[in-house]
Formats: sequence, C-alpha cells, structure tokens
Amino acid sequence: SAVISQKPSRDICQRGTSLTIQCQVDSQVTMMFWYRQQPGQSLTLIATANQGSEATYESGFVIDKFPISRPNLTFSTLTVSNMSPEDSSIYLCSATDLVYEQFFGPGTRLTVL
Amino acid sequence: AQSVTQLDSHVSVSEGTPVLLRCNYSSSYSPSLFWYVQHPNKGLQLLLKYTSAATLVKGINGFEAEFKKSETSFHLTKPSAHMSDAAEYFCVVTGGNDMRFGAGTRLTVKP
Repeated sequence: SAVISQKPSRDICQRGTSLTIQCQVDSQVTMMFWYRQQPGQSLTLIATANQGSEATYESGFVIDKFPISRPNLTFSTLTVSNMSPEDSSIYLCSATDLVYEQFFGPGTRLTVL
Repeated sequence: AQSVTQLDSHVSVSEGTPVLLRCNYSSSYSPSLFWYVQHPNKGLQLLLKYTSAATLVKGINGFEAEFKKSETSFHLTKPSAHMSDAAEYFCVVTGGNDMRFGAGTRLTVKP
C-alpha cells in the first residue's frame, strides 16, 4: 500500500495570498488527484495531476486558481491562488497504486481570513 | 458518467444493534465501488471495495457490503454497532480514472 504525506497539515492565510500544498507518495503510483472537502461536506475532485503535462481539471475548477504540478511519479503540488474565505477547506491528495487501489493523504486544513 | 447517492445523511443506532448505510450508484462502465470511513479530524480509511469479483464483500472492523447490479445498490452493513464506529461514511464509485464520492452518511452510535 502507498503512504501519502502532505505539507503543510494546516495553515491560516490572509485573503489575496496563495498557498502551495505538497503531496509526496512513498511508492510508485499511477494516478494522482487533488480533492477539496468543504466543511461538513463530501469530497469534490479538483483535478487529475498528470506527470509532465498540464493537469486535467473538473468542471468548476481552473488552472489559474488551482495550478498543479507533478514533476515526477511520486510528487505533486497544488496551489490555491488569490485566496478568499470561500477557499477555506480541507485539500486532499490521493493516488492510485499499480493495482488501482486509491489512497488518500491526511489532508491540509486551510483557513482563509 | 458516474455518480453515487447516499440515501441517508444521518443514521443513528444504539450500540450492539445492526447498522445499514444505503448507497445507490450510476455508472456507464462496469463500476468499482468502495466504502470509506472518516473519523473526526482523521484521514480517509478504506473499509472495503468491490471490483467485479464476489458480490458480497467483507471489509475491516466487521463491515460488509453487497453489490446488487439489478438494484444498482451497494449498501454497507454491520451486525452489531460499536461506539468506535461513529464517523462519516462515504460511498464511492469509480469507472475509469477518477472517483466520485457520495455526500456522506454520518453514523451516530448511542450507548
């Protein structure tokens, strides 16, 4: 099984600033994803992080707001840009391993003031 | 396209009684289905998964789920609830490369 770590685990940010969240997987994975979980709600897929190319975004999410990088097979970053209080949420990284089992990171709890 | 509907946003049971969390799915593919549990301030943990093998799937902590294609359902059950089962439960469908989460069911266990 894959173990996923995220940094930071939580942050409090000012409106208008940006935060980059890092996701590291300890083993080889195929797909990597970023999800958002707003307070008291389910998970919503933001995008699929593609290695060496632009991420694939879901409806309602755009690259300018949520730029994503995946420079290699086991690492990805998500940036939340020009933040507003509505971006306060938990952001989760996930990955599928070679047998397509999906694992989740512990999440990054973001509060925007 | 695929989606999942969890029929109850909140389920409350007494300790020692059975648990039933209901999930219906829609998928254009032959789906894989999962149940995840999320305890307060904790990460997501996989309870069990169905990937076109046996229709009755046994998971961790005494949970099991039955895939019923004719009813497009994948309900989660446990014969006897424990206080530690209190958490948020998510039914998830995947067919292809992404997962779609249900809205979640909050399970409360009363002593």
